[in-house]
Amino acid sequence: AQSVAQPEDQVNVAEGNPLTVKCTYSVSGNPYLFWYVQYPNRGLQFLLKYITGDNLVKGSYGFEAEFNKSQTSFHLKKPSALVSDSALYFCAVRDIWKTSYDKVIFGPGTSLSVIP
Amino acid sequence: KAGVTQTPRYLIKTRGQQVTLSCSPISGHRSVSWYQQTPGQGLQFLFEYFSETQRNKGNFPGRFSGRQFSNSRSEMNVSTLELGDSALYLCASSSLAGVYNEQFFGPGTRLTVL
Repeated sequence: AQSVAQPEDQVNVAEGNPLTVKCTYSVSGNPYLFWYVQYPNRGLQFLLKYITGDNLVKGSYGFEAEFNKSQTSFHLKKPSALVSDSALYFCAVRDIWKTSYDKVIFGPGTSLSVIP
Repeated sequence: KAGVTQTPRYLIKTRGQQVTLSCSPISGHRSVSWYQQTPGQGLQFLFEYFSETQRNKGNFPGRFSGRQFSNSRSEMNVSTLELGDSALYLCASSSLAGVYNEQFFGPGTRLTVL
């Protein structure tokens, strides 16, 4: 079965500095990878996904993610953090099970705090 | 375009009762997925409906069921509620079938089981 890990529960970064939120995955076959963000008291919002193609994927709100097959990682990055980026970030991977069902497995989430 | 709406936003039930949650997708979206979010288990996929048919399901007991209507609105039902069912239930819609497509989430329904 596929799995996804986010090794950091909490990431703190100063406003204006680059940010990285880490994600590693375990899949059989080619991975489908995603990043979602959850702002306080709101639902999730899609940021970006990787299915195939360029290893650097650009998404919403200036975020990008780098797919690294050899390290089985899909880290989320942004060149310059904003206070408004403070939220809970989820990495996710597509899982196919019981032959015909597929679903998305989410990581435990990383809480990002951008300090003014 | 209006976003995904979920009703009610908050719900309190007691053990053994049943509950029905409702989700209205973005206009034109035919795929609706349901997720459970808890502090202990995180975000877990429940099921996906597309054009009134369940096309994907997660690993949840049969007490959790759903359906989708011809207007794409979806309901999720939980029977014989347990304390562990207390969670934020999120609904997401997509224009395409398959949970690997971009999904648009609603604000969720907070269910508390006493």
